[in-house]
Amino acid sequence: GAGVSQSPSNKVTEKGKDVELRCDPISGHTALYWYRQSLGQGLEFLIYFQGNSAPDKSGLPSDRFSAERTGGSVSTLTIQRTQQEDSAVYLCASIPDRPWETQYFGPGTRLLVL
Amino acid sequence: DAKTTQPTSMDCAEGRAANLPCNHSTISGNEYVYWYRQIHSQGPQYIIHGLKNNETNEMASLIITEDRKSSTLILPHATLRDTAVYYCIVRASSNTGKLIFGQGTTLQVKP
Repeated sequence: GAGVSQSPSNKVTEKGKDVELRCDPISGHTALYWYRQSLGQGLEFLIYFQGNSAPDKSGLPSDRFSAERTGGSVSTLTIQRTQQEDSAVYLCASIPDRPWETQYFGPGTRLLVL
Repeated sequence: DAKTTQPTSMDCAEGRAANLPCNHSTISGNEYVYWYRQIHSQGPQYIIHGLKNNETNEMASLIITEDRKSSTLILPHATLRDTAVYYCIVRASSNTGKLIFGQGTTLQVKP
């Protein structure tokens, strides 16, 4: 079946612009995560959605970052007034139900802020 | 979640078993050991996980020591496509599920 998809696959933007990154999780998966990975680094947790519960936003690095998940499915990560240090690969992962289950990752969106 | 320690890099000959160690000496009783890998330019991929018993699936085997303070991921017959960064993660089943990835081990499989 279809896996997690993300769009765009690559995004180049100018410093100060806003960007929106999209994640389509696996159908039926109730939980969704956003991570980012800077060049040569491990993954950094950003935000977690589980069903209708309030999201865990503890990993968002600043108030320029926000995310929403509409209808319990598609999620959008928005970065306002982008900075060069926001350049990274942004990864989305979904899981079937329980939080400790296997996470299925998308291919990521490579963001470059000039 | 417990901290893990892995070697920065390892080499393995194609066709040989690759044994990737991980130390997690502060692991708690309710924490699982997970292994993921990330092939260049792709998202991380789940490999295997376990609590205290050894586990095997179509990708790999996981050997956890009796005191659970360390584990080894075994790829029985490494291929060039197994070249990747391998992450060992220890995580409780009760938290929100976010994975804390360290630097991992870069495994280079050589012909």
